[in-house]
Amino acid sequence: ETGVTQTPRHLVMGMTNKKSLKCEQHLGHNAMYWYKQSAKKPLELMFVYNFKEQTENNSVPSRFSPECPNSSHLFLHLHTLQPEDSALYLCASSLNRGPTGELFFGEGSRLTVL
Amino acid sequence: QKEVEQDPGPLSVPEGAIVSLNCTYSNSAFQYFMWYRQYSRKGPELLMYTYSSGNKEDGRFTAQVDKSSKYISLFIRDSQPSDSATYLCAMSALDNYGQNFVFGPGTRLSVLP
Repeated sequence: ETGVTQTPRHLVMGMTNKKSLKCEQHLGHNAMYWYKQSAKKPLELMFVYNFKEQTENNSVPSRFSPECPNSSHLFLHLHTLQPEDSALYLCASSLNRGPTGELFFGEGSRLTVL
Repeated sequence: QKEVEQDPGPLSVPEGAIVSLNCTYSNSAFQYFMWYRQYSRKGPELLMYTYSSGNKEDGRFTAQVDKSSKYISLFIRDSQPSDSATYLCAMSALDNYGQNFVFGPGTRLSVLP
């Protein structure tokens, strides 16, 4: 099993659809993150979970809804998205939120909103 | 002023060249400095992680941090076509929740055979 696995790798949805992105880590980490990556822009932190508790929500619109049922799984529920939400969504994990908590990324879910 | 500045490129070099990638930052609270490599259609992977000012070498890669100038660099010696990727600088500081990462937009590098 690879470290951080994301599904689906590609997703096309209409503005009225509801879909979910899934992330699973097999590294025994306690912190999990959702990042948004748009072309030529820095990675934007969306949500952070530490020991299953959401610690940060960086002013993300409510059409994005995270869920973290346990330390190994993270979901991003999507509904009534806008075309500008089209991007690569990256999941990451780290052992902890301490000073040497290296981020391990999944391969991303490429989302296209029509 | 953006928190982290990085020239997005693209940068094209011939095989065997020495590559220099750079970032500047404004927040003096940053303590940890990283370089990530991201191949097309893949997630970023950590290349180098440094804490203090100075140089850190790993094979063909050298990371350099100058905290006084708020400037970090990544040097790639004897560059190979397999080094073609986007390189993201990242830095972090501790806040109330723990380590907070900030990324540059990435520099796209092409090494031509």
